[in-house]
Amino acid sequence: GNSVTQMEGPVTLSEEAFLTINCTYTATGYPSLFWYVQYPGEGLQLLLKATKADDKGSNKGFEATYRKETTSFHLEKGSVQVSDSAVYFCALVKAAGNKLTFGGGTRVLVKP
Amino acid sequence: KAGVTQTPRYLIKTRGQQVTLSCSPISGHRSVSWYQQTPGQGLQFLFEYFSETQRNKGNFPGRFSGRQFSNSRSEMNVSTLELGDSALYLCASSPLRDRGTEAFFGQGTRLTVV
Repeated sequence: GNSVTQMEGPVTLSEEAFLTINCTYTATGYPSLFWYVQYPGEGLQLLLKATKADDKGSNKGFEATYRKETTSFHLEKGSVQVSDSAVYFCALVKAAGNKLTFGGGTRVLVKP
Repeated sequence: KAGVTQTPRYLIKTRGQQVTLSCSPISGHRSVSWYQQTPGQGLQFLFEYFSETQRNKGNFPGRFSGRQFSNSRSEMNVSTLELGDSALYLCASSPLRDRGTEAFFGQGTRLTVV
């Protein structure tokens, strides 16, 4: 079946540091890939997405590139802020429908 | 535009009881999905409804059921509650059935079973 693996946290960083969260997936064919973010006490918000190989999703300074050859979708941000402290989820959708398969989530804590 | 609304936000139930959670999708969205979030199992897909029909179902026991109404609002029901059903239940709506379409999540219903 489909699966998503992402690095375990927590990841603790200082403000303005570089952030990278690794995500790899297992799925046949060409899934669509997503990064969602969850702030404390809230639901999930879509951060960015990519629907085909070599697509780069970007939003709010975050980027991720769909790498078919390495089945990866790593999330990066060049300079994090305290407000980026949250839990980040990598996810995929395969075939028609909206069934998301999520990774385990990575908690990120940015200290001033 | 109003977001996805889930009610109630918090719920405490006793083992053996049943519970119904409600989700109102974004206006115009026809796809509604439900997820269970727990510290141990993470985010797990329960089911998806599109135009009142269940299109996908996750690996949950039959105690978990759902439905969607003609106005796209959805409910999920859990019967004979167990302690392990304590979780955050998230609802997500999408305008289409196509993969790659963004899913918009509600704030969730926090269910505690005692």
